[in-house]
Amino acid sequence: QVQLQESGPGLVKPSETLSLTCTVSGDSISSSYWSWIRQPPGKGLEWIGYIYDSGTTNYDPSLKSRVTISLDTSKKQFSLKLTSVTAADTAVYYCARSVVVATRFDPWGQGILVTVSS
Amino acid sequence: AIQMTQSPSSLSASVGDRVTITCRASQAIRNDLYWYQQKPGKAPKLLIYGASSLQSGVPSRFSGSGSGTDFTLTISSLQPEDFATYYCLQNYNYPPTFGPGTKVDIK
Repeated sequence: QVQLQESGPGLVKPSETLSLTCTVSGDSISSSYWSWIRQPPGKGLEWIGYIYDSGTTNYDPSLKSRVTISLDTSKKQFSLKLTSVTAADTAVYYCARSVVVATRFDPWGQGILVTVSS
Repeated sequence: AIQMTQSPSSLSASVGDRVTITCRASQAIRNDLYWYQQKPGKAPKLLIYGASSLQSGVPSRFSGSGSGTDFTLTISSLQPEDFATYYCLQNYNYPPTFGPGTKVDIK
């Protein structure tokens, strides 16, 4: 059974880069979409983007200029980088896997709270 | 981007009640609609894909219907573990967009 676990700093300073990693266990990293979704405190879900195992990426237009998702198949990890962060980027960040369709997210990681503050 | 709305934004119900949540898209999305359940402090969980297909392992009291712009999630007999927030998601057009959520709590 696939399991995902997010890791990374819980506090990032404004204007710096948020970097998170999702480690995959229990299955191959191939033939899947690997996504990031976030949820600001007390608010709804926001799709950030995904990477397919071929390396193809797709990002939300509102974040596209600041986001990079990459994949390390040897480590069974995928990563999120978000540059020039502000307080508005404070959120719980989730990683998730999809098969067949990019938004059929299952399973999800447990989530990691990232706070942007000086 | 396609805008998703949900109604009601919250509801109170009792165990055993039949509950219906509505999701509406700002334009037709065929049946490219997903439902997710999120409990406090937990990651969302996939319930329904393709508007009406039940994800493996999800209890049969959950069902989805609809096509085009109007969709519903129905819980036929609400159980204590169903108190949560429910989100719809469209993937018909890029970018994928979530609805704002419907919180179901105990009456």
